[in-house]
Amino acid sequence: GAVVSQHPSRVICKSGTSVKIECRSLDFQATTMFWYRQFPKQSLMLMATSNEGSKATYEQGVEKDKFLINHASLTLSTLTVTSAHPEDSSFYICSARGPQGAGYGYTFGSGTRLTVV
Amino acid sequence: QQQVKQSPQSLIVQKGGISIINCAYENTAFDYFPWYQQFPGKGPALLIAIRPDVSEKKEGRFTISFNKSAKQFSLHIMDSQPGDSATYFCAASVWGAGSYQLTFGKGTKLSVIP
Repeated sequence: GAVVSQHPSRVICKSGTSVKIECRSLDFQATTMFWYRQFPKQSLMLMATSNEGSKATYEQGVEKDKFLINHASLTLSTLTVTSAHPEDSSFYICSARGPQGAGYGYTFGSGTRLTVV
Repeated sequence: QQQVKQSPQSLIVQKGGISIINCAYENTAFDYFPWYQQFPGKGPALLIAIRPDVSEKKEGRFTISFNKSAKQFSLHIMDSQPGDSATYFCAASVWGAGSYQLTFGKGTKLSVIP
């Protein structure tokens, strides 16, 4: 089945530094990748949608300059949290969707727990 | 505007019992309805999904029932086990080609007690 690898699973960084999270589709080409943020005991909140080779589309209220998304290839998307602050601490999850014609749905990574101290 | 409403928020079921979670959607363009299971500290994992051309889909102990006219779908977990204790999310999307996003319900925390 479709597998999405996300790493790191946990990261602790100092306030003001940047953190990069990687999301890879291992056995399929991801036409679209999604980045979510999840607060404790809440549902997933979509941050942005990205297609390979084009700029990401950010949801309303998500700062483009703080959450940089790069979708350089059909198997890799990265989320960089720039100048991180404690309020950016959260659980970040990526999702990838393969070609609809091949029956691919949405596959999620295992998530990254970001703690900013 | 919440487009997918999920209930109940939490559910406690005895081992061996049936767990039922309900969702209702508003957007008639939705034609893909997955259910995800999420354990603490992990990403959501696809449990089962249905398209509107069928009214029911069963995979092992998990069954989706779909009512297109009522715009409702539900997850039934038969013979619930303690290992099923997790948070369950329903979702909906447009299946066709394009960057369609999933719209999630708010989740149901299921606890299966021995």
